[in-house]
Amino acid sequence: SQTIHQWPATLVQPVGSPLSLECTVEGTSNPNLYWYRQAAGRGLQLLFYSVGIGQISSEVPQNLSASRPQDRQFILSSKKLLLSDSGFYLCAWSEGLAGGPSQETQYFGPGTRLLVL
Amino acid sequence: QQQVKQSPQSLIVQKGGIPIINCAYENTAFDYFPWYQQFPGKGPALLIAIRPDVSEKKEGRFTISFNKSAKQFSLHIMDSQPGDSATYFCAASMEGGYQKVTFGTGTKLQVIP
Repeated sequence: SQTIHQWPATLVQPVGSPLSLECTVEGTSNPNLYWYRQAAGRGLQLLFYSVGIGQISSEVPQNLSASRPQDRQFILSSKKLLLSDSGFYLCAWSEGLAGGPSQETQYFGPGTRLLVL
Repeated sequence: QQQVKQSPQSLIVQKGGIPIINCAYENTAFDYFPWYQQFPGKGPALLIAIRPDVSEKKEGRFTISFNKSAKQFSLHIMDSQPGDSATYFCAASMEGGYQKVTFGTGTKLQVIP
């Protein structure tokens, strides 16, 4: 079965510090990968998505970046965090092109709660 | 046109009641409509989903009603329980190479014992 991992679970960082959040998926190959941010009590904002290694599309201009160094690894980074970067960061995956109808479902990780002070 | 509008923002019902969450969309190219359930501090999880070729789908106590002509769909939770207290997101997506899902803004449901 497929599983998705995110770490760390919680992170407190000072303003201006760098960020690296990691997401890995097991049990599938060539997944589509996504990073979302969820502000407290708010909806899901898509930040980045990737359909393959090294292929990253950005949805929202900001000081965050994403990378996909391996097929099942997705990393969210920042060189200098802002207060507004605080939130709940969710990684998700869906079946890639060969997945058939099930590719329309996204499966979410447990999330990373980031607090920038 | 990519938006999915969800209401209400929050909902409180008594145990055994039937909360109803509504969503509306504009883009007729959407062809898959999932609902996600999110508990505090956790990631959303797929609850139930429907395609526009059916008007209703039931899974346990959860039912989706779909009105293609009105471009609306709704989630009903029968015999609601305190354990159903969570945030519910409707969503819509289009068949294609990758799935960029458009999410509603969420409904925070509280079921009172």
